[in-house]
Amino acid sequence: GESVGLHLPTLSVQEGDNSIINCAYSNSASDYFIWYKQESGKGPQFIIDIRSNMDKRQGQRVTVLLNKTVKHLSLQIAATQPGDSAVYFCAENMDNQGGKLIFGQGTELSVKP
Amino acid sequence: DAGVTQSPTHLIKTRGQHVTLRCSPISGHKSVSWYQQVLGQGPQFIFQYYEKEERGRGNFPDRFSARQFPNYSSELNVNALLLGDSALYLCASSLDPMAPQHFGDGTRLSIL
Repeated sequence: GESVGLHLPTLSVQEGDNSIINCAYSNSASDYFIWYKQESGKGPQFIIDIRSNMDKRQGQRVTVLLNKTVKHLSLQIAATQPGDSAVYFCAENMDNQGGKLIFGQGTELSVKP
Repeated sequence: DAGVTQSPTHLIKTRGQHVTLRCSPISGHKSVSWYQQVLGQGPQFIFQYYEKEERGRGNFPDRFSARQFPNYSSELNVNALLLGDSALYLCASSLDPMAPQHFGDGTRLSIL
C-alpha cells in the first residue's frame, strides 16, 4: 500500500552535533523523494530532493541517502543549529497518481544549546 | 521573489457553511496542489491542477472542489462544512507536476 513512515517521532540533539532523521517508504515504484522542514505556524519548506536513480545527494549542511533495496531514506544535518529545530517530513512523489505527495508522520527535531 | 501566497490566513466558520480558499503560485509555476494538514500529522493530498486541468484527486468527499484560473492561481472550495474539516489547508506550486513543490503558509480553518 501507499505509506511513508518515520522511525522516530522525536529527536533531541546537542547544538553542533550531526542529526540523522530516518524514513521508510512502502511503494517500490516510487521514484522521487523530498524532505521538508516545517516550523511552527508555517508551511513545509523544501530542503532537498532525490530521484531513484541516485543514492546520495548533498546540499548545504544536508545530505539525503536513498537505499532502494530496503526502501529507506535518511536526512543528515551537519553541525545542527538551534534554527534547525522543526518538524521534518519525508514525502514520496507518485507521478502515476497525478504527482501527489505522500507525507509521513514527521519527526520533531529539538536542538539543545 | 514572492513565494506561494494564500488567503485568508485564518478563518472561522460554522457547520454547514461553505468556504473558499485562495492561492497564488510562485511566478512561472503552472502546477498547483492542495493539501489538508490536521494537527500532529503530515499533509494529506486533496487536488493537483496543471495548466488549468485537474491532474489528481485524493481521497476526499465531493464536498471538496477546486479550480485553476488562466493566471494559474487556484481556489479550493469546501461545502457543507463539518467539524472534522478543521485543519490547516496548504497550497503548493511547482513548475510542473513532477518538479519540487513549494508550499505557502496555509489557511487555518476552524469549524465551530
